[in-house]
Amino acid sequence: ILNVEQSPQSLHVQEGDSTNFTCSFPSSNFYALHWYRWETAKSPEALFVMTLNGDEKKKGRISATLNTKEGYSYLYIKGSQPEDSATYLCAFKGGGADGLTFGKGTHLIIQP
Amino acid sequence: EAGVTQFPSHSVIEKGQTVTLRCDPISGHDNLYWYRRVMGKEIKFLLHFVKESKQDESGMPNNRFLAERTGGTYSTLKVQPAELEDSGVYFCASSHFRGARETQYFGPGTRLLVL
Repeated sequence: ILNVEQSPQSLHVQEGDSTNFTCSFPSSNFYALHWYRWETAKSPEALFVMTLNGDEKKKGRISATLNTKEGYSYLYIKGSQPEDSATYLCAFKGGGADGLTFGKGTHLIIQP
Repeated sequence: EAGVTQFPSHSVIEKGQTVTLRCDPISGHDNLYWYRRVMGKEIKFLLHFVKESKQDESGMPNNRFLAERTGGTYSTLKVQPAELEDSGVYFCASSHFRGARETQYFGPGTRLLVL
């Protein structure tokens, strides 16, 4: 059974502050690591697909890093804004697998 | 370009009834996936179609669930008969190509409540 863990489970951050959270996943049979941003009642929005150890991706104020050897990825948000409030999901894909294995998500709340 | 759409957005049924969920993938996407999120838990993979063929249905919970994708376009997921533990959000996702950099685009989900 694959285990994808995200921490923290929830996070309150003051507007303007920067924050980060973690996704840990199996370090063996790695194929890809996905990050999604999900607001309830909307479609989870794809942020990044990361495949190589040491990958760093950036989209606006959001960036992510990947360490496949130790099995973790960090998501960073710089200068948090209220619209960043959402649940951030990471999903692991192993070699040969069809579907993604998701973590439970980090629920981020930005306080004005 | 229209995204993945799902119908209905919400469904409330009684235990023992049948419900059919529909997913329309992004046009031209051969890969179609079904996932489910039970409250408080993570999103879990149910099955994967390539065009009209089931590629992997290892995540389907039991034989009360039947997924089809006739013609390789839209897909339906039928639950018959529904049980209380089937309540949750059912997501559909589609992608254009397989491979390490494949992005799965998700629909907004169907929220199913079985009473």
